[in-house]
Amino acid sequence: AQKITQTQPGMFVQEKEAVTLDCTYDTSDPSYGLFWYKQPSSGEMIFLIYQGSYDQQNATEGRYSLNFQKARKSANLVISASQLGDSAMYFCAMREEDTGRRALTFGSGTRLQVQP
Amino acid sequence: KAGVTQTPRYLIKTRGQQVTLSCSPISGHRSVSWYQQTPGQGLQFLFEYFSETQRNKGNFPGRFSGRQFSNSRSEMNVSTLELGDSALYLCASSLASGGAGWGVGPRYGYTFGSGTRLTVV
Repeated sequence: AQKITQTQPGMFVQEKEAVTLDCTYDTSDPSYGLFWYKQPSSGEMIFLIYQGSYDQQNATEGRYSLNFQKARKSANLVISASQLGDSAMYFCAMREEDTGRRALTFGSGTRLQVQP
Repeated sequence: KAGVTQTPRYLIKTRGQQVTLSCSPISGHRSVSWYQQTPGQGLQFLFEYFSETQRNKGNFPGRFSGRQFSNSRSEMNVSTLELGDSALYLCASSLASGGAGWGVGPRYGYTFGSGTRLTVV
């Protein structure tokens, strides 16, 4: 079963508007971490934000916030005030802390294009 | 501080050849992971090394191997290259400990390098 699902292959947003990128996950591990990465055309994976399964509050990092709904197993990324430089691929990933499987599982990604 | 350095950035090889990719982690990071990214399969975990020991391995054939040196630098090797091995290979380093668990929190997250784009012709 797919563990990380990103249902939006591509998204368009106008500059200065907010955008939400969807991510749902599946795990039976009670302890896990959720990550969002940005990948520009250069290829490097840039860490944006992290949410732990036991965190009581939604994570925020500057213009990035994570809408964490644990019961629904969703971890949507919200980018406020989009900028042209935000155009990139965005990946949601999960790490299950207790299984000993020391690896990230990635979703298929969402390509975001910010229009002027 | 310096980030994760991967060399070379680009590589073109012929089917049947072998290739070695290098990754230097952030200073102080002892865990190094490798991922393969292709348009068809997305991002897939190859293996992870901690203190010169392979701790975990993904579902890849034995042609894919790796190692880690005492300074935490890591190399991955692909032997008998196939066209399907054409991909972006990403290395990530982490502060993760040697235990089964990772340590909770972004501090134990991953920093990725810029990757090596391998083209097999």
